[in-house]
Amino acid sequence: EAQVTQNPRYLITVTGKKLTVTCSQNMNHEYMSWYRQDPGLGLRQIYYSMNVEVTDKGDVPEGYKVSRKEKRNFPLILESPSPNQTSLYFCASRSEGSGGAGNEQFFGPGTRLTVL
Amino acid sequence: EDKVVQSPLSLVVHEGDTVTLNCSYEVTNFRSLLWYKQEKKAPTFLFMLTSSGIEKKSGRLSSILDKKELFSILNITATQTGDSAVYLCAVSTSYGKLTFGQGTILTVHP
Repeated sequence: EAQVTQNPRYLITVTGKKLTVTCSQNMNHEYMSWYRQDPGLGLRQIYYSMNVEVTDKGDVPEGYKVSRKEKRNFPLILESPSPNQTSLYFCASRSEGSGGAGNEQFFGPGTRLTVL
Repeated sequence: EDKVVQSPLSLVVHEGDTVTLNCSYEVTNFRSLLWYKQEKKAPTFLFMLTSSGIEKKSGRLSSILDKKELFSILNITATQTGDSAVYLCAVSTSYGKLTFGQGTILTVHP
């Protein structure tokens, strides 16, 4: 089944304790991206990757790191989490398609992170 | 700074009503505009629009893009309670950024 998986789905942690949220897709998509969703603010892009070893900042990259060593994986790293990073996080992927318009983006199930 | 604005932010209707959701945008290097539906989980894809004036349709939902006036609308006819959700508009740029609007919360009462 074509899908984007994220782990963990729920995480409660404390300020300053490094954590990684994994994201994996099995559709051979070039493009992957991380978003956070907060009430009243909608979905905001954290980082995205157009292909292996290529990553770029989205609108809210501060406090986050990513890497894209393989096509299928795009982990999100919080080196020193803070309470303002408490949020619902989504990973997504899409193929780049022909014609340069990109294609439908598939979302993972979400990771609800609470930083105390 | 890329910006996507949706209106209204919230809408309450009765079953059978027709609704129109709006999305306006200001971005650099526009590539496509996408509509998503989000219930209590991850967003699910509805439409992708790249060309002005061409309506996309799926059942009771339809959408159209105006690249000159920089907006899109999503129409839902004969609404049902199952249409209750948050509807998200997003704009993709040629260098990969995707900017979302705040979303429109649609509530359909029986």
